Order: sequence, then structure tokens, then C-alpha cells
Amino acid sequence: GENVEQHPSTLSVQEGDSAVIKCTYSDSASNYFPWYKQELGKRPQLIIDIRSNVGEKKDQRIAVTLNKTAKHFSLHITETQPEDSAVYFCAASIRTSGSRLTFGEGTQLTVNP
Amino acid sequence: DAGITQSPRHKVTETGTPVTLRCHQTENHRYMYWYRQDPGHGLRLIHYSYGVKDTDKGEVSDGYSVSRSKTEDFLLTLESATSSQTSVYFCAISDDSLLAGEQYFGPGTRLTVT
Repeated sequence: GENVEQHPSTLSVQEGDSAVIKCTYSDSASNYFPWYKQELGKRPQLIIDIRSNVGEKKDQRIAVTLNKTAKHFSLHITETQPEDSAVYFCAASIRTSGSRLTFGEGTQLTVNP
Repeated sequence: DAGITQSPRHKVTETGTPVTLRCHQTENHRYMYWYRQDPGHGLRLIHYSYGVKDTDKGEVSDGYSVSRSKTEDFLLTLESATSSQTSVYFCAISDDSLLAGEQYFGPGTRLTVT
């Protein structure tokens, strides 16, 4: 089955700096890669996703890049703010109806004011 | 947030007792999922459903069963709870539109087995 590895497990940055979280996947058939943000005690929230027909997608301060050849994808957050502090999860699946997501273990991002 | 609720939100139970968690959705989505979340393991799929009475196992299904008799409800049952099943359980839903793959999560149930 699919295996997703996520690095780093913890990341601390200063407010205004950029943050990058990286994930690798094992199944070359995977073609859907979402990112979730989870604040303490809350549910995971989908923040951005990318499908394999594109290499990059941006949404304001958040961007995701995908390298299918190397089987890795990354989340980039620019101009970080304290409210970006949370646990971020990457995931991978074969994009079909009812796709089964395989998640990475998460990255605890702390943005220091 | 998508119209997903979970009940109970918190439960403490004893080893060996049966426990049922409920997920209810008002979005009429076809697919429903149960995940458990533990420190150091992220989210792991327990079971999922692709329609009424249609379910399948995920990666950590041992000790769990599910049922879906209506589109809006997906039940997760621990037949005989063990301490290793202490976890936070999340339900998720997705539809079969062009946005297939996007999953939205419920608020979670914190289960403690003593």
C-alpha cells in the first residue's frame, strides 16, 4: 500500500519568515495530494490540495509543489503569522471517488512573534 | 464546516465493554470514513463506506466493525474495548463529484479505555 513520510516533525520559525514542509510518497499511482491544518483540539481542515496534472498551486500565502518523478510534494507558507501555528498533515491517494487517503505523521509548526 | 457531527464527543469506558460511536452527516455525501489519531501516527483509516450497506476495511481495522444503514449515518463499534483503542476518532465524508477526493472531517470523539 501507499506510504507517506513527512519532514520535519517540528518546525519553529519567526513571524514573517517562510516555512516549508516536505512529504514523499511510495505509490506512483497516487495522483491527489491534500494538505490539512489541525489546531489544538480541533478537527483537521483542508487548506490546499494538488492533483498530478499540475506542478504547483497557490492560494494567497500558501503554495504546494509536486514532483511526480521524485515522488515528493511540499507545502510552502510565506509571511508566516502566529495563527499559522498548528499541526500540518500531508496525504496522498489515487484520485477516484471515495479515495482512501494515506497521511503523513504531521509537522508541528510554531510561529514565534 | 461541512454538516458533520459525531457523538459522543467524549467517552470513558472500561476494558471489555462494547462501544459505539456515531457519525452523522447532512451533506448527502456518498463516502464516509472512520480514522483514529494517535501521537506519532497521524491519521489512520479504520473503515470506510462507499454507500448504504457497502463498507470496506482500512489499514487498522482489527477490533472494529462498522455499519451504514442510512446515507447519513456511519457507526463504528468496538466489540470489546481495549486500552490500545484509547484514541481520538474522526469521521470524514466525501462526495463523488468532480472534486472527488476532498475529505471533510467531523469534530472528533475522544475515547478513553481504562
